[in-house]
Amino acid sequence: GENVEQHPSTLSVQEGDSAVIKCTYSDSASNYFPWYKQELGKGPQLIIDIRSNVGEKKDQRIAVTLNKTAKHFSLHITETQPEDSAVYFCAASKNFNKFYFGSGTKLNVKP
Amino acid sequence: NAGVTQTPKFRILKIGQSMTLQCTQDMNHNYMYWYRQDPGMGLKLIYYSVGAGITDKGEVPNGYNVSRSTTEDFPLRLELAAPSQTSVYFCASSYSDDRDREKLFFGSGTQLSVL
Repeated sequence: GENVEQHPSTLSVQEGDSAVIKCTYSDSASNYFPWYKQELGKGPQLIIDIRSNVGEKKDQRIAVTLNKTAKHFSLHITETQPEDSAVYFCAASKNFNKFYFGSGTKLNVKP
Repeated sequence: NAGVTQTPKFRILKIGQSMTLQCTQDMNHNYMYWYRQDPGMGLKLIYYSVGAGITDKGEVPNGYNVSRSTTEDFPLRLELAAPSQTSVYFCASSYSDDRDREKLFFGSGTQLSVL
């Protein structure tokens, strides 16, 4: 089956700096790559996603890039704010009912 | 709009006990899922359902059972609790149309400890 690896496991940045989280996947048939944000005591929430026919997608301070050849995708957060502090999960899927999640990155934004 | 609601939020079970984790959604989603999240690990799919009366196994179904008698409810049953089932359990749902069915809406989770 699919194997998704996520790095780093923890990331600490100063407010206003950028943060980058990287994921690799093993199954070249995967075609949908979402990112979820999980705040303390809450369930994960979708923040951005990308499909395999697109190389980059942006939504305000958040962007995701996809390199299909290398089988990796990344989450970029610019101008980080304290409220960005959370655990972020990447995932890969080729069927809507089967998602393979990375192990998560705990992002800490220091004021 | 409540979204996906899970109960209870916390539970401690003794080995061999049984319990049902409740999940209900008010978004009229056909698709519903149960995931477990172990410390330092990603979420793993236990069971899913594409509609009332239809369920199927995910990656880690052993030790669990589900039923889907209505669109709104998708309970998860643990029959003989084992320490390996200590985890945080998340229920999720998604839209039925092809474009959005991959976008999962999660509940706030149930933290279960089996001692």
